[in-house]
Amino acid sequence: GESVGLHLPTLSVQEGDNSIINCAYSNSASDYFIWYKQESGKGPQFIIDIRSNMDKRQGQRVTVLLNKTVKHLSLQIAATQPGDSAVYFCAERASNYQLIWGAGTKLIIKP
Amino acid sequence: ETGVTQSPTHLIKTRGQQVTLRCSSQSGHNTVSWYQQALGQGPQFIFQYYREEENGRGNFPPRFSGLQFPNYSSELNVNALELDDSALYLCASSLGAGGVETQYFGPGTRLLVL
Repeated sequence: GESVGLHLPTLSVQEGDNSIINCAYSNSASDYFIWYKQESGKGPQFIIDIRSNMDKRQGQRVTVLLNKTVKHLSLQIAATQPGDSAVYFCAERASNYQLIWGAGTKLIIKP
Repeated sequence: ETGVTQSPTHLIKTRGQQVTLRCSSQSGHNTVSWYQQALGQGPQFIFQYYREEENGRGNFPPRFSGLQFPNYSSELNVNALELDDSALYLCASSLGAGGVETQYFGPGTRLLVL
């Protein structure tokens, strides 16, 4: 079946360094992907999205890269800050109304 | 804050009981989606309501049911609770059928089934 998964469950990064969170997806027909951030005790918060007709999209301090050949997504966070500590999820659109989510990567910022 | 509210914040039930969770959507949004998030996992789609009708459903049994009201708030009902129903239940509101691109999530209801 369709699935979206993450390579690393936990990522520790030094404050100020760049973070890269990876995600693999299995449905080559997926046309839309989203990255979410979920802080403890809160619901997921939209970070950035990308459509399948793009390879790269940039936001404020974040960049999403899409490699359709190997069905891989990555989220890059520049100059990681303590407030970036959270669990990060990638999700793919399975239908008009449904997202399929990965298991999440916990990002830990070391001072 | 997203403007999406959920109640209660926490709930403890025993196996076999029934539970009702509530969600108030962001102003102007007419679609509500419900998700179940088990500890340490990503959310799983339960169903979506658009203009008071179920617009899509994930792989959940019929004992998971929902309602959407004329003001677009929504309820999630779970009958015959099982231990595995223990999870964080999230609702997300959006504008228009589908609307996965513009979902705003509430803080969730943490349900513990004993």
